[in-house]
Amino acid sequence: QVQLVQSGAEVKKPGASVRVSCKASGYMFSSYAIHWVRQAPGQRPEWMGWINAGSGKTKYSEKFEDRVTAMRDTSTTTVYLELTSLKLEDTALYYCARGRTSDPFDFWGQGTLVTVSS
Amino acid sequence: DIEMTQSPSSLSASVGDRVTIACRASQTISINLHWYQQKAGKAPTLLIYKIDSLQRGVPSRFSGSGTGTDFNLTISSLQAEDFATYYCQQSFTSPPTFGQGTRLEIK
Repeated sequence: QVQLVQSGAEVKKPGASVRVSCKASGYMFSSYAIHWVRQAPGQRPEWMGWINAGSGKTKYSEKFEDRVTAMRDTSTTTVYLELTSLKLEDTALYYCARGRTSDPFDFWGQGTLVTVSS
Repeated sequence: DIEMTQSPSSLSASVGDRVTIACRASQTISINLHWYQQKAGKAPTLLIYKIDSLQRGVPSRFSGSGTGTDFNLTISSLQAEDFATYYCQQSFTSPPTFGQGTRLEIK
């Protein structure tokens, strides 16, 4: 069965960077993209970007493109999201989700809580 | 970016009720409209994709409809496990965007 298992919660100070991982299993890793979606408390989900797990091609939301990098390791079927220059308002649950271009997000990770606090 | 607006933002209903949640896009989005359910502290789960296709394993009391810019999610007979927050999402253009959510509460 398809599973996306994310790394554990992180607490960071403003200005720091964070890396979240998402290990995929149960399907052909290179046939899908992995999207990153974050959700601040009480807010709607917000798309950050995606990585094509086969080619490594990435596309980011304009809101984050100067601070975010997605990468993948095909040998371990793991995708990573790095977010730099953290701000207090980056405090949120960060989810990875499987999908193809124009398709829905059909499987989601369990979420990683990133807390930015001074 | 395409703006997605849901109505109502919250809804109180009883087990057995029929409920409909509306979603409007700021421009036409073809068939690229999907619905998710989110329970407290959990990741969203896909219910309906491409307007009216039921995701595998989702009960048939859930259905989707609509065209162009106006779409609906209907639950034909509410069950206790359906009380949650529901989001619509468009994937017609990048960035994908979500509605603000509809919180479905027990009356």
